Amino acid sequence: QKEVEQNSGPLSVPEGAIASLNCTYSDRVSQSFFWYRQYSGKSPELIMSIYSNGDKEDGRFTAQLNKASQYVSLLIRDSQPSDSATYLCAVNMGGGSEKLVFGKGTKLTVNP
Amino acid sequence: GAVVSQHPSRVICKSGTSVKIECRSLDFQATTMFWYRQFPKKSLMLMATSNEGSKATYEQGVEKDKFLINHASLTLSTLTVTSAHPEDSSFYICSARTYGVEQYFGPGTRLTVT
Repeated sequence: QKEVEQNSGPLSVPEGAIASLNCTYSDRVSQSFFWYRQYSGKSPELIMSIYSNGDKEDGRFTAQLNKASQYVSLLIRDSQPSDSATYLCAVNMGGGSEKLVFGKGTKLTVNP
Repeated sequence: GAVVSQHPSRVICKSGTSVKIECRSLDFQATTMFWYRQFPKKSLMLMATSNEGSKATYEQGVEKDKFLINHASLTLSTLTVTSAHPEDSSFYICSARTYGVEQYFGPGTRLTVT
């Protein structure tokens, strides 16, 4: 069973702080990793993709990937109340599969 | 870029009727489209994968005769919920991909069966 695990939270941080979201995956051959943001009642929105070990930065977001530890994280700097949402980690397991395996999501609340 | 639309955004129907949901990629050609459903406060559940011009591949436990998928072109896929019942009430979301593995989601369709 190929799995993606996330801490369901809720994770609560004050405005301006760094929010750290974590994800582990079970399949060592996984190649592609994604973070989606989902506001309540809305569909997921792709915010970051990462394919190789290390850090990838995009504005206030930084994705970190460690394939040896089968771990991917998302850091949100200078968190804003508008960042309050559920963050979904998704993994493409490779091997020709087109599917993404999603974690159950971590609910983040940024308090003003 | 990578905009996906869905229509309708919200639909209410009576038990026993059928409902069609359209998913369109607006600014790219989608090699593959995916259909998900999501119950309140639950995670996404993949229902099926569809490729243009071929039969959809359904996930285990999803009834293909109940959830009919037609992927008529590289920009349009439809999901028809046949003989809908209240337990089919859910948030149905499509996504599309082009040559990479990133999936771009439509805004979703909220189905309520009375």
